[in-house]
Amino acid sequence: AQTVTQSQPEMSVQEAETVTLSCTYDTSESDYYLFWYKQPPSRQMILVIRQEAYKQQNATENRFSVNFQKAAKSFSLKISDSQLGDAAMYFCAYRRFADSGYALNFGKGTSLLVTP
Amino acid sequence: EPEVTQTPSHQVTQMGQEVILRCVPISNHLYFYWYRQILGQKVEFLVSFYNNEISEKSEIFDDQFSVERPDGSNFTLKIRSTKLEDSAMYFCASSEERLRNTEAFFGQGTRLTVV
Repeated sequence: AQTVTQSQPEMSVQEAETVTLSCTYDTSESDYYLFWYKQPPSRQMILVIRQEAYKQQNATENRFSVNFQKAAKSFSLKISDSQLGDAAMYFCAYRRFADSGYALNFGKGTSLLVTP
Repeated sequence: EPEVTQTPSHQVTQMGQEVILRCVPISNHLYFYWYRQILGQKVEFLVSFYNNEISEKSEIFDDQFSVERPDGSNFTLKIRSTKLEDSAMYFCASSEERLRNTEAFFGQGTRLTVV
């Protein structure tokens, strides 16, 4: 089974600064998808960014970007110009490239605190 | 913007009782999922559902659990005889399709407390 590891239970960043959240995963597959989800205090899971393993180019969504290192099985999230609204739990997730279902395999999460 | 709606937001039940958690997926979505998150732990996949049948389920989804799409809009998760360890946040999600990197939209969750 694929495992997703987030080694930072908590991170803190000052407003307007940049922070990087780490994620590593273990898989024997060559094609798969990776996601970062945000869970604010409202508890709803919100997709932040996604990456297809077959794409070499790192995904970017406005202030959010990833550093995808396939050989190292690493998928870190960089948040630039951090805002108070970025404070949340961030989950890294893996999904295999398969037709059956949509089982996202989540890491344990990183709690991000944004200070003024 | 369309969203996945879950009811109730919080349910308290006695051990051994049956509970039904309800979800209204986004209207044009065809794939439905349940996940759970025990307090302080990671989100775990329970089951996926398509065309009125389960397409995938995890080890957690044992005989105590069942899912149903009773009509054209609702998607339910039933726990037949709740245990204390079923206490968790349960998330429903839906997606237009299951292939590739299609986004799954999550509801706000139902907090289930078993006492």
